[in-house]
Amino acid sequence: SYELTQPPSVSVSPGQTARITCSGDALPKQYTYWYQQKPGQAPVLVIYKDSERPSGIPERFSGSSSGTTVTLTISGVQAEDEADYYCQSADSSGTYSYVVFGGGTKLTVL
Amino acid sequence: QLQLQGSGPGLVKPSETLSLTCTVSGGSISSSSYYWGWIRQPPGKGLEWIGSIYYSGITYYNPSLKSRVTISVDTSKNQFSLKLTSVTAADTAVYYCARLKGYYFGMDVWGQGTTVTVSS
Repeated sequence: SYELTQPPSVSVSPGQTARITCSGDALPKQYTYWYQQKPGQAPVLVIYKDSERPSGIPERFSGSSSGTTVTLTISGVQAEDEADYYCQSADSSGTYSYVVFGGGTKLTVL
Repeated sequence: QLQLQGSGPGLVKPSETLSLTCTVSGGSISSSSYYWGWIRQPPGKGLEWIGSIYYSGITYYNPSLKSRVTISVDTSKNQFSLKLTSVTAADTAVYYCARLKGYYFGMDVWGQGTTVTVSS
């Protein structure tokens, strides 16, 4: 089955830039979405269609793609950004497309 | 403002059927622009898509769960529902309902999550 690979953890100091990657063979063919999830809360969409930011999401969140890797970048990380981050895309190799999530990355703000 | 509220039993016995309902408020489930989906998260683990449904009743399921899952919609009540049969401890999870722009696209509105434990 199709997999999206994320690093288990990323650590940065406040004010620095955090980059969280997501790798998958089909990423060049499908949009990627990013979610932020804080403990005990539902996920929140922070990036859609690779690089678009929903209203209400701070400008320090951005997304980019290059080949089979997409990246969520958080510039000027703040303590409140500490959370789990999940990428999501689609597997279109079968009869129909279906949703696939990455394993998640825990962002620690030192 | 659109809100999704999941509801259902918090405890289900092994081999029985898990049944959850998501009520949509602040908008219509019959919008032609969106799909509605279920996602789950086992304790301490990542997210898993269960399936998506359109207001017309068209459904798409995760191939790994397809044999046990049924998602249905009731437009008169602005609700959609999940049934998962023959549950085991591995089905213990927080179950989220969400709105999707397309059946395999991103989820822009989420419910608060319903915790379901499978135990005798």
